[in-house]
Amino acid sequence: AQKITQTQPGMFVQEKEAVTLDCTYDTSDPSYGLFWYKQPSSGEMIFLIYQGSYDQQNATEGRYSLNFQKARKSANLVISASQLGDSAMYFCAMTEGFKTIFGAGTRLFVKA
Amino acid sequence: EAQVTQNPRYLITVTGKKLTVTCSQNMNHEYMSWYRQDPGLGLRQIYYSMNVEVTDKGDVPEGYKVSRKEKRNFPLILESPSPNQTSLYFCASSLSARTSGYYNEQFFGPGTRLTVL
Repeated sequence: AQKITQTQPGMFVQEKEAVTLDCTYDTSDPSYGLFWYKQPSSGEMIFLIYQGSYDQQNATEGRYSLNFQKARKSANLVISASQLGDSAMYFCAMTEGFKTIFGAGTRLFVKA
Repeated sequence: EAQVTQNPRYLITVTGKKLTVTCSQNMNHEYMSWYRQDPGLGLRQIYYSMNVEVTDKGDVPEGYKVSRKEKRNFPLILESPSPNQTSLYFCASSLSARTSGYYNEQFFGPGTRLTVL
């Protein structure tokens, strides 16, 4: 069965430093997509970055990069040069076929 | 403006009183989905629709119904709400579930906070 695990319920990072949010997944399907979404305190869900299971290179989008280690089934989000506005809940998600599952989320606090 | 809209945004109701949460998208997306968000559980998929008149169950479909009669609309129906359906509900849409091996990101509505007393 599909499963997504985010082991860090909460994390603190100093402004301007980099932070890694962990995500591991479990699937037997060779084809899947991995996503990270951000949920600020205002509640909306914002797409950040995508990695396909067949992609050879790690995805990057501005200050966001995805450290994809397929053999270890991990898809960690790296945020470089953290900003106060990065304080939010972050969700890792996996889509397989037509279904999507989400992890429980990591709440990130950025300190000034 | 490209968007997913949900109504109502907030709803307090009582056990057993049928309700419908509407969802509409203006991006001509084929795929639409409903999720519920509960603390410590992340988002869980309730139902999804691959296209008009094609729907299927997600991980937590019990107590919910959906329909997809038009491409833009995907209402969520609670025929007899119970307190355990108190939650934050999100509707989402994407171009399709997958395009040429690429899984498409989902665009989310603003959420509907439902309280069932």
